[in-house]
Amino acid sequence: GQQLNQSPQSMFIQEGEDVSMNCTSSSIFNTWLWYKQDPGEGPVLLIALYKAGELTSNGRLTAQFGITRKDSFLNISASIPSDVGIYFCAGQGGGSQGNLIFGKGTKLSVKP
Amino acid sequence: DAGITQSPRHKVTETGTPVTLRCHQTENHRYMYWYRQDPGHGLRLIHYSYGVKDTDKGEVSDGYSVSRSKTEDFLLTLESATSSQTSVYFCAIRRESNTEAFFGQGTRLTVV
Repeated sequence: GQQLNQSPQSMFIQEGEDVSMNCTSSSIFNTWLWYKQDPGEGPVLLIALYKAGELTSNGRLTAQFGITRKDSFLNISASIPSDVGIYFCAGQGGGSQGNLIFGKGTKLSVKP
Repeated sequence: DAGITQSPRHKVTETGTPVTLRCHQTENHRYMYWYRQDPGHGLRLIHYSYGVKDTDKGEVSDGYSVSRSKTEDFLLTLESATSSQTSVYFCAIRRESNTEAFFGQGTRLTVV
């Protein structure tokens, strides 16, 4: 079946630094979504991407839908302590009912 | 806030006992999902529903059953809980108009 490879698995960065993470797949996806999960909470949708090449921002977050439709990137600029959490990518391909497939997550830690 | 309530939020149960988790939504969305989250595995789909009495299996459905007798409620049942089903369980809903999924706060289940 379809799988997503998300990298890196974890990141330790200094406050103020920029962050990049990505997801790749061997299959084409029609939609890419990025979520953030805080400890003890459910994932929260950050950005949704619907067109190949699309670049979308949400505050300090910017995500891109890769031209090949097989990858997506999330960048966080000028990180702050509240950016700590696990970031998940999710893709929706051509399967039944539009179900999402999730990456395994990138755990972000920010040192003040 | 997508109007999703999961209950209970925490549960400890013994091996071999039946367990039912409830997901309740207030916005009449057609699609509802049950995921489990485990370290190193991300979010994996257990079962999903695309309408009242319409359900289907996800990638990790063995040992689980679901029911949806009303639009607003989606129940996940472990007929005979095993230690491998210790996990955090998330319910999600999706609007029919797009692929964006919204999650509940999760149920932490421990099987001892």
